[in-house]
Amino acid sequence: ETGVTQTPRHLVMGMTNKKSLKCEQHLGHNAMYWYKQSAKKPLELMFVYSLEERVENNSVPSRFSPECPNSSHLFLHLHTLQPEDSALYLCASSPRTSGDYNEQFFGPGTRLTVL
Amino acid sequence: GQNIDQPTEMTATEGAIVQINCTYQTSGFNGLFWYQQHAGEAPTFLSYNVLDGLEEKGRFSSFLSRSKGYSYLLLKELQMKDSASYLCAVSDSNYQLIWGAGTKLIIKP
Repeated sequence: ETGVTQTPRHLVMGMTNKKSLKCEQHLGHNAMYWYKQSAKKPLELMFVYSLEERVENNSVPSRFSPECPNSSHLFLHLHTLQPEDSALYLCASSPRTSGDYNEQFFGPGTRLTVL
Repeated sequence: GQNIDQPTEMTATEGAIVQINCTYQTSGFNGLFWYQQHAGEAPTFLSYNVLDGLEEKGRFSSFLSRSKGYSYLLLKELQMKDSASYLCAVSDSNYQLIWGAGTKLIIKP
């Protein structure tokens, strides 16, 4: 595997379910990100991790719970979601969290539908 | 507040040239990125500008004017595969990326 991978690619869940999204990066990067992408809206940054420590939490509801066990893996645990949480969830990684030329590499995303 | 503006949708003809504009108002500036995103796929990096001027990369060029808070992406010799959304993003004073909503580019034969 190369680049940034995400599983599952598609997920349908009820409001009472608990599920997890998984992201893995094979680029040796130190920073990882979760974004939410809704139709015709800008990418919304949810969480940033640097070397397994959370450095940014953009006022995300507690029903979204991130976990970063090591610098290559990132999870997003979901519970009691709402229909408005339906969106494409993108994972990204970059060499670091700051500095110029800090390009972010994205995974293909998980298309989440909450019924 | 921080804001990135770009047109919602543009249409162009195969073989032609198109310019996608992006204007920004952010707290600080540490560079501007352009990404391409095909429907259902990951955004992929196209270009990065941190100094004023034009950066050319094959059929794609990106221009930046920091004093005007303005950038554009220029696509030449358009091909059908260029049909995609083009995302403008600015790295702010905290190196956090602030994203525009994207410009959907439709290429017609």
